Amino acid sequence: DVKVTQSSRYLVKRTGEKVFLECVQDMDHENMFWYRQDPGLGLRLIYFSYDVKMKEKGDIPEGYSVSREKKERFSLILESASTNQTSMYLCASSLGGKRTGNTIYFGEGSWLTVV
Amino acid sequence: KNEVEQSPQNLTAQEGEFITINCSYSVGISALHWLQQHPGGGIVSLFMLSSGKKKHGRLIATINIQEKHSSLHITASHPRDSAVYICAAYSNTGNQFYFGTGTSLTVIP
Repeated sequence: DVKVTQSSRYLVKRTGEKVFLECVQDMDHENMFWYRQDPGLGLRLIYFSYDVKMKEKGDIPEGYSVSREKKERFSLILESASTNQTSMYLCASSLGGKRTGNTIYFGEGSWLTVV
Repeated sequence: KNEVEQSPQNLTAQEGEFITINCSYSVGISALHWLQQHPGGGIVSLFMLSSGKKKHGRLIATINIQEKHSSLHITASHPRDSAVYICAAYSNTGNQFYFGTGTSLTVIP
């Protein structure tokens, strides 16, 4: 079974803390994505990576950074957490390039509350 | 501007009803995905379409490439179908998914 694993399911952090969200996939996928999901806004892309050490900003990168040192692992970092970053964070992966039919696989999500 | 628009946003149905969820997109795509999200967060892929129609059990997905429109149908709906259904377009320039905001379906016994 293909798998995208997010390290933490539920986190509560204080304003100003540095937060790491880790994601690992076991499918040798080139593409990995971090989204946040908020009621009424759907999935919004924070960052994506199409290869090791490569990253591209998504629609809402402000306040976030990412790291992809190994193909299977993509980390999302909140340098200084703020209450408006309280959300559900979803990691996903897919095969890369312009191939037709790249199924996207999601992790279970990480619920982050910043107090 | 949303590249992918879904309707309706919310849908309540009686068990056994036929359900249709619609998706329109404005970007060039190589594939259109229908996803399902149950309460608790996990998202699973139901269908991936580049043309025509696909069927899996009681679920049917269709796409009209010329009209840039796709539909997800559920026949003989059941309470366990209650979930959020999300349409996602995979860009034909590669590497990007565009998501609709989802349709929240509740099927009442």
